[in-house]
Amino acid sequence: RKEVEQDPGPFNVPEGATVAFNCTYSNSASQSFFWYRQDCRKEPKLLMSVYSSGNEDGRFTAQLNRASQYISLLIRDSKLSDSATYLCVAYGGATNKLIFGTGTLLAVQP
Amino acid sequence: DTAVSQTPKYLVTQMGNDKSIKCEQNLGHDTMYWYKQDSKKFLKIMFSYNNKELIINETVPNRFSPKSPDKAHLNLHINSLELGDSAVYFCASSQRPRGGSDTQYFGPGTRLTVL
Repeated sequence: RKEVEQDPGPFNVPEGATVAFNCTYSNSASQSFFWYRQDCRKEPKLLMSVYSSGNEDGRFTAQLNRASQYISLLIRDSKLSDSATYLCVAYGGATNKLIFGTGTLLAVQP
Repeated sequence: DTAVSQTPKYLVTQMGNDKSIKCEQNLGHDTMYWYKQDSKKFLKIMFSYNNKELIINETVPNRFSPKSPDKAHLNLHINSLELGDSAVYFCASSQRPRGGSDTQYFGPGTRLTVL
């Protein structure tokens, strides 16, 4: 079983739609969590950190449920420019490394 | 002003050859990393250096040898290239705080194809 699991998608949604991605992690010692975004043939870039209290950045909302070991990302009012792969990432605690999920592909259609 | 740069961007070579990829960061960060992203897009850490000291060494064949001449540079040398080494290799850097994690900044990647 992978340490960080995501639905690979693709999620094909129309512009303006709300879309949610889910992610689960297996290492209960993981300390920090992130969402990274990777455009086609480009490098990953940090989208946002994820906190237990939930956090919002414009149209993006991230949530963490430590009891269920579950992380989510909600994108409201999708734009064409949101089309990318979204990588769920856990910081591996004692191992001091980032563990990446395989990513969820989002395609926003006009 | 590219923060994390890698050369070359593309590398096509024959099986059995030896090749190097170079990485440089101008962010003043203490820690640098090498990641491999395979054809299934799975991104996995290979090595990490903190201030020229190796701190993470995943289960990577010893044909792969990282070298950090200073904290702004981390190079990756690969001996006896195999078909399975074909992937995109990303360099990254971060300014590690005393505890916890911090943002990693990735280079543009080196797309290695072994024929």
